[in-house]
Amino acid sequence: AQRVTQPEKLLSVFKGAPVELKCNYSYSGSPELFWYVQYSRQRLQLLLRHISRESIKGFTADLNKGETSFHLKKPFAQEEDSAMYYCALRHNTDKLIFGTGTRLQVFP
Amino acid sequence: DVKVTQSSRYLVKRTGEKVFLECVQDMDHENMFWYRQDPGLGLRLIYFSYDVKMKEKGDIPEGYSVSREKKERFSLILESASTNQTSMYLCASSPPGRDEKLFFGSGTQLSVL
Repeated sequence: AQRVTQPEKLLSVFKGAPVELKCNYSYSGSPELFWYVQYSRQRLQLLLRHISRESIKGFTADLNKGETSFHLKKPFAQEEDSAMYYCALRHNTDKLIFGTGTRLQVFP
Repeated sequence: DVKVTQSSRYLVKRTGEKVFLECVQDMDHENMFWYRQDPGLGLRLIYFSYDVKMKEKGDIPEGYSVSREKKERFSLILESASTNQTSMYLCASSPPGRDEKLFFGSGTQLSVL
């Protein structure tokens, strides 16, 4: 069965520290993977997708098929990065499956 | 800018009531989704629809049904609301295609007393 695992419920760092939010997936086919973010009192929105190989707001994520991971990284966290982050997997039927989410807290 | 509109921000209902949650999108998207969002459980897919009158069960369809009579509108129905259906409900839409992003509504916080 398809599954997305985010092992950390909460990640707390100080401003300027590196951040890595972990995401592992299980899927027998070729996955499309995404990171979505929800800032306080805002809608859930796309942060980045692996197919674009882009960097958004300083965040990057690399798909590692060998380790079935899609970890989200940022070298220097900012206070405005504090939010709820969800890793998601989309498979053949266009269905999008989310992980349980990681709350990132960046302290000044 | 894509707009996904959920009719109610907050809703309070009693156990056993029939509840309708409405969602409308204005970008002619084929796909529409209903999720519930619970702390510690993330987003769980209830139902999705890839075309008018088409629907597919998600991971937790029990106790819910959906209706998609028009392309822009996707309704979630709780036939007989129960307290364990108290949750934040999120609607989303997207064009077809696995690499397409979802556009989310602002959510409906449903409390079942």
